[in-house]
Amino acid sequence: DQQVKQNSPSLSVQEGRISILNCDYTNSMFDYFLWYKKYPAEGPTFLISISSIKDKNEDGRFTVFLNKSAKHLSLHIVPSQPGDSAVYFCAASPSNDYKLSFGAGTTVTVRA
Amino acid sequence: DTGVSQNPRHKITKRGQNVTFRCDPISEHNRLYWYRQTLGQGPEFLTYFQNEAQLEKSRLLSDRFSAERPKGSFSTLEIQRTEQGDSAMYLCASSLGGPGGEQYFGPGTRLTVT
Repeated sequence: DQQVKQNSPSLSVQEGRISILNCDYTNSMFDYFLWYKKYPAEGPTFLISISSIKDKNEDGRFTVFLNKSAKHLSLHIVPSQPGDSAVYFCAASPSNDYKLSFGAGTTVTVRA
Repeated sequence: DTGVSQNPRHKITKRGQNVTFRCDPISEHNRLYWYRQTLGQGPEFLTYFQNEAQLEKSRLLSDRFSAERPKGSFSTLEIQRTEQGDSAMYLCASSLGGPGGEQYFGPGTRLTVT
Protein backbone atom coordinates (compact mmCIF):
# COMPACT_ATOMS: atom_id res chain seq x y z
CA ASP A 1 0.00 0.00 0.00
CA GLN A 2 1.52 3.24 -1.18
CA GLN A 3 1.11 5.70 1.69
CA VAL A 4 3.02 8.50 -0.03
CA LYS A 5 2.11 9.38 -3.60
CA GLN A 6 3.77 11.59 -6.14
CA ASN A 7 1.37 11.59 -9.04
CA SER A 8 3.52 13.51 -11.49
CA PRO A 9 6.33 11.29 -12.77
CA SER A 10 8.03 14.20 -14.53
CA LEU A 11 8.20 17.96 -14.68
CA SER A 12 9.91 20.19 -17.22
CA VAL A 13 10.58 23.82 -16.34
CA GLN A 14 12.51 26.68 -17.88
CA GLU A 15 15.59 27.94 -16.08
CA GLY A 16 14.71 30.81 -13.77
CA ARG A 17 11.07 29.81 -13.40
CA ILE A 18 9.38 28.14 -10.45
CA SER A 19 9.26 24.35 -10.07
CA ILE A 20 6.35 23.01 -8.02
CA LEU A 21 6.41 19.38 -6.95
CA ASN A 22 3.41 17.81 -5.26
CA CYS A 23 3.02 14.96 -2.81
CA ASP A 24 -0.03 13.39 -1.18
CA TYR A 25 -0.17 11.00 1.75
CA THR A 26 -2.79 8.76 3.27
CA ASN A 27 -1.42 7.97 6.74
CA SER A 28 -2.74 10.50 9.25
CA MET A 29 -0.04 9.38 11.71
CA PHE A 30 2.71 10.97 9.61
CA ASP A 31 4.26 13.88 11.50
CA TYR A 32 7.46 14.53 9.60
CA PHE A 33 7.87 15.14 5.90
CA LEU A 34 11.13 15.30 4.00
CA TRP A 35 12.21 15.98 0.45
CA TYR A 36 15.20 14.25 -1.06
CA LYS A 37 16.98 14.85 -4.34
CA LYS A 38 18.70 12.11 -6.29
CA TYR A 39 21.19 12.29 -9.14
CA PRO A 40 21.94 9.17 -11.24
CA ALA A 41 24.41 6.76 -9.62
CA GLU A 42 24.18 8.56 -6.27
CA GLY A 43 22.12 8.02 -3.15
CA PRO A 44 19.29 10.39 -2.22
CA THR A 45 20.41 13.67 -0.64
CA PHE A 46 18.30 15.48 1.95
CA LEU A 47 16.88 18.83 0.81
CA ILE A 48 14.38 20.17 3.31
CA SER A 49 11.87 18.93 5.86
CA ILE A 50 8.79 20.08 7.73
CA SER A 51 7.00 18.85 10.83
CA SER A 52 3.25 18.69 11.18
CA ILE A 53 3.16 21.63 13.58
CA LYS A 54 4.20 23.95 10.77
CA ASP A 55 2.64 24.79 7.43
CA LYS A 56 5.72 26.25 5.74
CA ASN A 57 9.47 25.87 5.89
CA GLU A 58 11.92 27.79 3.76
CA ASP A 59 15.59 27.23 3.03
CA GLY A 60 17.10 29.40 0.36
CA ARG A 61 15.51 28.61 -2.98
CA PHE A 62 13.50 25.73 -1.50
CA THR A 63 10.17 26.09 0.31
CA VAL A 64 7.96 23.26 1.50
CA PHE A 65 4.26 23.82 2.21
CA LEU A 66 2.16 21.42 4.25
CA ASN A 67 -1.64 21.21 4.23
CA LYS A 68 -2.51 18.65 6.89
CA SER A 69 -6.25 18.74 6.34
CA ALA A 70 -5.73 17.86 2.68
CA LYS A 71 -2.85 15.49 3.44
CA HIS A 72 -0.83 17.32 0.82
CA LEU A 73 2.57 18.92 0.64
CA SER A 74 4.46 20.69 -2.07
CA LEU A 75 8.03 21.73 -2.76
CA HIS A 76 8.70 25.03 -4.51
CA ILE A 77 12.06 25.71 -6.11
CA VAL A 78 12.61 29.34 -7.09
CA PRO A 79 14.41 30.13 -9.30
CA SER A 80 15.03 26.77 -10.96
CA GLN A 81 18.61 26.14 -12.06
CA PRO A 82 20.11 23.53 -14.42
CA GLY A 83 21.71 21.76 -11.44
CA ASP A 84 18.23 21.15 -10.05
CA SER A 85 17.62 18.55 -12.77
CA ALA A 86 17.23 15.36 -10.74
CA VAL A 87 14.67 12.98 -9.27
CA TYR A 88 12.88 14.38 -6.21
CA PHE A 89 11.39 12.09 -3.58
CA CYS A 90 8.85 12.98 -0.95
CA ALA A 91 9.16 10.96 2.27
CA ALA A 92 7.27 10.82 5.56
CA SER A 93 7.45 9.23 8.99
CA PRO A 94 5.29 9.10 12.12
CA SER A 95 6.56 10.66 15.33
CA ASN A 96 7.04 7.26 16.97
CA ASP A 97 8.98 5.64 14.14
CA TYR A 98 12.23 6.13 12.34
CA LYS A 99 11.59 4.49 8.99
CA LEU A 100 10.73 6.67 6.03
CA SER A 101 7.95 5.96 3.53
CA PHE A 102 8.82 7.33 0.11
CA GLY A 103 6.84 8.36 -2.93
CA ALA A 104 7.80 7.11 -6.38
CA GLY A 105 9.59 10.33 -7.28
CA THR A 106 9.27 13.15 -9.78
CA THR A 107 11.94 13.70 -12.41
CA VAL A 108 12.62 17.40 -12.86
CA THR A 109 14.27 18.70 -16.01
CA VAL A 110 15.34 22.33 -16.05
CA ARG A 111 15.61 23.68 -19.62
CA ALA A 112 18.09 26.41 -20.46
CA ASP B 1 35.13 11.37 2.94
CA THR B 2 33.00 10.88 6.04
CA GLY B 3 29.74 9.98 4.29
CA VAL B 4 27.97 6.63 4.14
CA SER B 5 29.84 4.12 2.00
CA GLN B 6 28.58 0.90 0.46
CA ASN B 7 30.41 -1.99 -1.13
CA PRO B 8 30.30 -3.34 -3.71
CA ARG B 9 28.70 -0.71 -5.91
CA HIS B 10 27.58 -3.31 -8.40
CA LYS B 11 26.99 -7.05 -8.10
CA ILE B 12 25.93 -9.47 -10.78
CA THR B 13 25.06 -12.95 -9.60
CA LYS B 14 23.31 -16.02 -10.88
CA ARG B 15 19.97 -17.08 -9.50
CA GLY B 16 20.36 -19.27 -6.46
CA GLN B 17 23.67 -17.78 -5.33
CA ASN B 18 24.16 -15.94 -2.04
CA VAL B 19 25.32 -12.33 -1.94
CA THR B 20 26.45 -10.04 0.86
CA PHE B 21 26.59 -6.25 0.87
CA ARG B 22 28.38 -4.00 3.30
CA CYS B 23 27.48 -0.57 4.60
CA ASP B 24 29.72 1.74 6.61
CA PRO B 25 27.65 4.51 8.20
CA ILE B 26 28.77 7.92 9.35
CA SER B 27 30.82 7.06 12.40
CA GLU B 28 28.87 8.86 15.11
CA HIS B 29 25.45 7.77 13.82
CA ASN B 30 23.71 5.21 16.02
CA ARG B 31 20.91 4.29 13.59
CA LEU B 32 21.40 2.43 10.36
CA TYR B 33 18.75 1.62 7.77
CA TRP B 34 18.47 -0.60 4.71
CA TYR B 35 16.15 0.30 1.85
CA ARG B 36 15.53 -1.29 -1.53
CA GLN B 37 14.70 0.66 -4.67
CA THR B 38 13.40 -0.76 -7.91
CA LEU B 39 13.07 1.03 -11.22
CA GLY B 40 10.51 3.81 -11.18
CA GLN B 41 9.85 3.50 -7.46
CA GLY B 42 11.05 5.24 -4.36
CA PRO B 43 13.16 3.51 -1.72
CA GLU B 44 11.26 0.91 0.33
CA PHE B 45 12.20 0.30 3.95
CA LEU B 46 13.68 -3.11 4.74
CA THR B 47 15.11 -2.94 8.25
CA TYR B 48 16.86 -0.70 10.75
CA PHE B 49 19.28 -0.92 13.65
CA GLN B 50 19.82 1.18 16.69
CA ASN B 51 23.41 0.49 17.63
CA GLU B 52 23.72 -3.31 17.27
CA ALA B 53 20.05 -4.09 17.89
CA GLN B 54 17.81 -4.78 14.90
CA LEU B 55 14.63 -2.99 15.93
CA GLU B 56 12.32 -3.33 12.97
CA LYS B 57 11.99 -5.47 9.87
CA SER B 58 9.62 -4.93 6.97
CA ARG B 59 7.38 -7.72 5.77
CA LEU B 60 9.27 -7.23 2.49
CA LEU B 61 12.24 -8.86 4.20
CA SER B 62 11.71 -12.54 3.52
CA ASP B 63 13.58 -15.20 5.46
CA ARG B 64 16.16 -15.29 2.66
CA PHE B 65 17.32 -11.85 3.81
CA SER B 66 19.38 -11.30 6.93
CA ALA B 67 21.06 -8.19 8.23
CA GLU B 68 23.57 -7.71 10.98
CA ARG B 69 25.32 -4.83 12.63
CA PRO B 70 27.96 -6.31 14.92
CA LYS B 71 29.36 -3.87 17.48
CA GLY B 72 27.02 -1.17 16.21
CA SER B 73 29.36 -0.03 13.46
CA PHE B 74 29.21 -1.36 9.89
CA SER B 75 26.31 -3.51 8.70
CA THR B 76 25.95 -6.39 6.28
CA LEU B 77 22.90 -7.45 4.31
CA GLU B 78 22.91 -11.02 3.01
CA ILE B 79 20.51 -12.46 0.49
CA GLN B 80 20.46 -16.24 0.24
CA ARG B 81 19.30 -18.19 -2.80
CA THR B 82 18.86 -15.05 -4.87
CA GLU B 83 15.90 -14.74 -7.21
CA GLN B 84 15.46 -12.49 -10.24
CA GLY B 85 12.97 -10.43 -8.26
CA ASP B 86 15.78 -9.47 -5.90
CA SER B 87 17.35 -7.34 -8.64
CA ALA B 88 17.27 -3.80 -7.28
CA MET B 89 19.33 -0.99 -5.80
CA TYR B 90 20.04 -1.61 -2.12
CA LEU B 91 20.49 1.62 -0.21
CA CYS B 92 21.94 2.09 3.23
CA ALA B 93 21.36 5.19 5.35
CA SER B 94 22.35 6.34 8.80
CA SER B 95 21.10 8.95 11.24
CA LEU B 96 21.67 10.35 14.69
CA GLY B 97 18.65 12.46 15.58
CA GLY B 98 15.10 11.62 16.60
CA PRO B 99 12.18 10.48 14.45
CA GLY B 100 11.74 12.55 11.33
CA GLY B 101 15.37 13.52 11.33
CA GLU B 102 17.50 13.54 8.23
CA GLN B 103 18.83 10.20 7.06
CA TYR B 104 22.10 10.23 5.15
CA PHE B 105 22.19 7.78 2.26
CA GLY B 106 25.05 5.92 0.68
CA PRO B 107 25.42 5.51 -3.10
CA GLY B 108 23.79 2.08 -3.06
CA THR B 109 24.67 -1.39 -4.30
CA ARG B 110 23.03 -2.37 -7.57
CA LEU B 111 22.23 -6.08 -7.64
CA THR B 112 21.47 -7.87 -10.88
CA VAL B 113 20.33 -11.48 -10.66
CA THR B 114 20.61 -13.37 -13.94
